[in-house]
Amino acid sequence: AQKVTQAQTEISVVEKEDVTLDCVYETRDTTYYLFWYKQPPSGELVFLIRRNSFDEQNEISGRYSWNFQKSTSSFNFTITASQVVDSAVYFCALSEPNTGNQFYFGTGTSLTVIP
Amino acid sequence: GAGVSQSPSNKVTEKGKDVELRCDPISGHTALYWYRQRLGQGLEFLIYFQGNSAPDKSGLPSDRFSAERTGESVSTLTIQRTQQEDSAVYLCASSITSTAYEQYFGPGTRLTVT
Repeated sequence: AQKVTQAQTEISVVEKEDVTLDCVYETRDTTYYLFWYKQPPSGELVFLIRRNSFDEQNEISGRYSWNFQKSTSSFNFTITASQVVDSAVYFCALSEPNTGNQFYFGTGTSLTVIP
Repeated sequence: GAGVSQSPSNKVTEKGKDVELRCDPISGHTALYWYRQRLGQGLEFLIYFQGNSAPDKSGLPSDRFSAERTGESVSTLTIQRTQQEDSAVYLCASSITSTAYEQYFGPGTRLTVT
């Protein structure tokens, strides 16, 4: 079973629109960590955010915001006023440091921002 | 400071040949990971090194794949008798310690097996 599900394979938006990328995770651990990474066309994955399971406070960083809801096992990512430079593949990931050595990555959401 | 570096950036090899891919993690990072990413796909975990502990090799797809790490520095991923299905981008990442912390990725090595 997939531990991290990113149901949206591809999304296209027009520049300046807001867009939300969904991430649903599955774990039985009480201590876990969630991450988002961006992979632009150049290919190199860029770390965006890390969140631990005990901190449900939403976070905002510029045009980026993250909504962590344990009740629905979701960690969604919103880009406000999207720009062409936001075009990339975005990956959500989960780690369970007390039970394993792996990061579990979702299959990614490809975002295209149309000028 | 310097990020994760990988070499070569591109490698074209003939089927049946052995290849060696190199990763230099961020200095001070004790954890190191190798992933494979096929074209248009997600990340496939291969192997994990943490300090001097035995590596977690559970993701290696066959015994043709092996990896080593020298202390807490350079790692090499070796693929023996390459097959066309080995064609992919091989990504290396390091993190300061366990999986509680974010990984920082290198630019990858694009391997093409002809």
